[in-house]
Amino acid sequence: GAGVSQSPSNKVTEKGKDVELRCDPISGHTALYWYRQRLGQGLEFLIYFQGNSAPDKSGLPSDRFSAERTGESVSTLTIQRTQQEDSAVYLCASSLAEGLKPLHFGNGTRLTVT
Amino acid sequence: KNQVEQSPQSLIILEGKNCTLQCNYTVSPFSNLRWYKQDTGRGPVSLTIMTFSENTKSNGRYTATLDADTKQSSLHITASQLSDSASYICVVSSGGSYIPTFGRGTSLIVHP
Repeated sequence: GAGVSQSPSNKVTEKGKDVELRCDPISGHTALYWYRQRLGQGLEFLIYFQGNSAPDKSGLPSDRFSAERTGESVSTLTIQRTQQEDSAVYLCASSLAEGLKPLHFGNGTRLTVT
Repeated sequence: KNQVEQSPQSLIILEGKNCTLQCNYTVSPFSNLRWYKQDTGRGPVSLTIMTFSENTKSNGRYTATLDADTKQSSLHITASQLSDSASYICVVSSGGSYIPTFGRGTSLIVHP
């Protein structure tokens, strides 16, 4: 079946512009995660959605970052007034959120802020 | 604070050789430990999961071990192939949270 889909795959933007990244999770997956991966670094947790519950935003690095998810469908991650340090790959993952189920990752959006 | 430490940070081996990657964690309460493989330009993919009661689990040429007492896990790759070149990430889940703790990964390069 279809996996997690992210778009765009690459995004180049100028410093100060806003960007919106999209994630289409696997159908039926109630949990959705966003991660940031800087070049050569590990995955950094950003935000977690579970069904209709309030999201866990504890990983968002600043108030320039926000994310939305409508029900158990698509999610968007928005970065306002982008800075050069925002350049990274942004990965989305979805899961059945039943304890032992794995995270299924998309291939990410590579964001470059010039 | 929950932490996952992986070693070595990077590793270069010749095709056909074996290697072992290490993962130490301080996540509590422990639920499970997963090894993920991340190819360049792709998202991580789960290789295997270890729960508290499991000591060893194999998935083809990959064998994971878990010592819950010392809070250590290893991933052994047998007869390495060029396609094994990737980052291997240890991820530990806590019983009290749906947000797992990621290690920084071991970058493996297999040379012909």
